Amino acid sequence: AQKVTQAQTEISVVEKEDVTLDCVYETRDTTYYLFWYKQPPSGELVFLIRRNSFDEQNEISGRYSWNFQKSTSSFNFTITASQVVDSAVYFCALRRITGNQFYFGTGTSLTVIP
Amino acid sequence: EPEVTQTPSHQVTQMGQEVILRCVPISNHLYFYWYRQILGQKVEFLVSFYNNEISEKSEIFDDQFSVERPDGSNFTLKIRSTKLEDSAMYFCAISTGLAGVEEQFFGPGTRLTVL
Repeated sequence: AQKVTQAQTEISVVEKEDVTLDCVYETRDTTYYLFWYKQPPSGELVFLIRRNSFDEQNEISGRYSWNFQKSTSSFNFTITASQVVDSAVYFCALRRITGNQFYFGTGTSLTVIP
Repeated sequence: EPEVTQTPSHQVTQMGQEVILRCVPISNHLYFYWYRQILGQKVEFLVSFYNNEISEKSEIFDDQFSVERPDGSNFTLKIRSTKLEDSAMYFCAISTGLAGVEEQFFGPGTRLTVL
């Protein structure tokens, strides 16, 4: 069975602080995909990143960076110099190679205080 | 990024009534999905739809749910006899590539309230 755990339910940081959102997953598959989505207060789900399980290279996109560690089954997301607009719920998700469904974590609600 | 619209944005219905939620992709796509998110909870997969038939469904997607593409463009989710616990945000998602390869792009969601 697939499972995604986001142990941090809520995080508050002061603007310009760095923050890391944790994601731990469980799967018996050797190949899979991992994702992060952002859900701002308006409610839509915004795609942030996809990572293939066979590519452990970390990725940086502006203030966002992702640390994929297959050995610990973690796919953590770091926001550098956080801004108020980063306030949202962030979901980590896993997708198997076979099949279409996403397995979402319960989300981490991030509040950036000005 | 592909655009997806959903109508209505908010639907209020009485328990036992039928509702139809609509998803309209702006361009052609191969794969369609429905997810739901009960308030404050995680996003849950309902069903995937490919080549005009269901390719995968979860245990949530029971006999009261159905999906179709009635005119080859709109993608609908029908709930035949709504229950209070069906109150949730329903998201349509699309992907353009092969299954398991590409990310899914989500619509803005329809908030369903069952009274």
